[in-house]
Amino acid sequence: GAVVSQHPSRVICKSGTSVKIECRSLDFQATTMFWYRQFPKQSLMLMATSNEGSKATYEQGVEKDKFLINHASLTLSTLTVTSAHPEDSSFYICSAGTENQPQHFGDGTRLSIL
Amino acid sequence: GENVEQHPSTLSVQEGDSAVIKCTYSDSASNYFPWYKQELGKRPQLIIDIRSNVGEKKDQRIAVTLNKTAKHFSLHITETQPEDSAVYFCAAIIQGAQKLVFGQGTRLTINP
Repeated sequence: GAVVSQHPSRVICKSGTSVKIECRSLDFQATTMFWYRQFPKQSLMLMATSNEGSKATYEQGVEKDKFLINHASLTLSTLTVTSAHPEDSSFYICSAGTENQPQHFGDGTRLSIL
Repeated sequence: GENVEQHPSTLSVQEGDSAVIKCTYSDSASNYFPWYKQELGKRPQLIIDIRSNVGEKKDQRIAVTLNKTAKHFSLHITETQPEDSAVYFCAAIIQGAQKLVFGQGTRLTINP
């Protein structure tokens, strides 16, 4: 069964809306989670590393004020896409693991901004 | 930082034949190499992995080989079936760092 849960699976909203996506590790504690974005027919692009109890680490070119990450507990990280626009439409996916457990992915969130 | 190159980008094989996907990595410190299978619209799923202290690992029809000297690793699928059709990603990581670096992906199509 799934070891990482991600919600919602699908979001359709108007331009300017902020969207929050949740990623939960099941049955294990994850001090670090990762957020990826995937455009059609492309590989997973790491956006940021979510660190429990501290600030997220963003990859080059990813706007931290646009993509807010909160990792308030050892089992939950959230990604908020603020003031989303059509170009933010994509497949967002999180992953979590530990030193002794390989990374497992959530089911992903397909975000469509109209 | 680590860079992972994956080839080919697309691969089409007849059902029952074997498929091989190859990856190279740049950082000799990388010591864990997972392979993920992603079906359309779904999450990547770990199908097999290998650590740097092992040269080969097999799980039924799937095998992975690792050449540390040459810094490349390969995925081998034998007796391919239509349900093997998907996009496959290789990745490399320094164990403990947890931050995966992915290859570009290979779209595998199994023709009946």
